Amino acid sequence: DAKTTQPTSMDCAEGRAANLPCNHSTISGNEYVYWYRQIHSQGPQYIIHGLKNNETNEMASLIITEDRKSSTLILPHATLRDTAVYYCIVRDDYNTDKLIFGTGTRLQVFP
Amino acid sequence: KAGVTQTPRYLIKTRGQQVTLSCSPISGHRSVSWYQQTPGQGLQFLFEYFSETQRNKGNFPGRFSGRQFSNSRSEMNVSTLELGDSALYLCASSLSPDGRNLHFGNGTRLTVT
Repeated sequence: DAKTTQPTSMDCAEGRAANLPCNHSTISGNEYVYWYRQIHSQGPQYIIHGLKNNETNEMASLIITEDRKSSTLILPHATLRDTAVYYCIVRDDYNTDKLIFGTGTRLQVFP
Repeated sequence: KAGVTQTPRYLIKTRGQQVTLSCSPISGHRSVSWYQQTPGQGLQFLFEYFSETQRNKGNFPGRFSGRQFSNSRSEMNVSTLELGDSALYLCASSLSPDGRNLHFGNGTRLTVT
């Protein structure tokens, strides 16, 4: 079973920041938080991952709360091409376990 | 660098038949994993291979099998197809078996009639 909880859907205006929340209250010390997205008719695409520090790359920022029980993926300037299903996944890298995808958040970016 | 390539893109089979799907990972990637995606169950892990060895297997019946070749290319086979096997089958590759930064192909859409 997925270890994360995400809202089913969200809307965001083009050019605004999209903040996608994820709850992972049972996360353990060795588990990383991964984010992937899936645009219609394509395979999932890796976005970002982190353990406890906030992370930023060219696609997004990941903010993890101090207790690590929740996180937020931030797309700073959403575009229409960011419309996709976003998956938050927790995974223990040391056990090299498989990724378990939940139902994700369907983000709709509108003009 | 070419991405993960899956063939064929679309496939239609009838119940009882068998099917083989192919996946070519990104050059240099030695880990390949397979996922099944359906509207009802979402993305579900099938199995993972590294250096021709199956390292992990999901909760699927024995009709689902796979293998990996010495060049890291992978195939999955489904025998005695059922209507419920209709799905998008996704292959992902990564450099190492830790599965970080998985790169997915665009999948094979299998329809069983």
